Amino acid sequence: KAGVTQTPRYLIKTRGQQVTLSCSPISGHRSVSWYQQTPGQGLQFLFEYFSETQRNKGNFPGRFSGRQFSNSRSEMNVSTLELGDSALYLCASLDGRGGSTDTQYFGPGTRLTVL
Amino acid sequence: DAKTTQPNSMESNEEEPVHLPCNHSTISGTDYIHWYRQLPSQGPEYVIHGLTSNVNNRMASLAIAEDRKSSTLILHRATLRDAAVYYCIPWGFGNEKLTFGTGTRLTIIP
Repeated sequence: KAGVTQTPRYLIKTRGQQVTLSCSPISGHRSVSWYQQTPGQGLQFLFEYFSETQRNKGNFPGRFSGRQFSNSRSEMNVSTLELGDSALYLCASLDGRGGSTDTQYFGPGTRLTVL
Repeated sequence: DAKTTQPNSMESNEEEPVHLPCNHSTISGTDYIHWYRQLPSQGPEYVIHGLTSNVNNRMASLAIAEDRKSSTLILHRATLRDAAVYYCIPWGFGNEKLTFGTGTRLTIIP
């Protein structure tokens, strides 16, 4: 099976712009989670979607949003970009419905740089 | 979410065993203990998980204390490819997110 894919891998934007990142989960996985990784804050959970519904959300401002399509592919959007949004954005797909024994499979991430 | 405490960094010689400790004293009775690792320039990858008894897989072993307040990830014979940041994460049913702490940066000395 193909792994989790994320596009684009690298992105450079300027302050005030918006950006859309894409994630394709492993075939058959219905849950997609998004994480932000920065040197200062580490890995932080953004939100999770299961069957097109947001099930869980982290503590990020409303500028960060996401959605999931019927084929389980997911996108996240960041509007009005700030310098502090520069980070590695990771997507993960879950091999179950959210049980304790499930495994998350991470993609390689999208490196966003905001100038 | 249960809090975890891990050493910031550890070093080990190549081809020797490595024991990575984790304290999770506030873990709930139904949380599994998961370990993930993140190699340089990659997303995290699953290593192993367990509930009460010790677990083994092709990558590592997981030793869980009887009171479940701590666990140890064991790499039996470290290679240079095992250099990564290792995260210990208690994870319970109905909690869809992984809460990553600061992890342990493992350096392997050739």
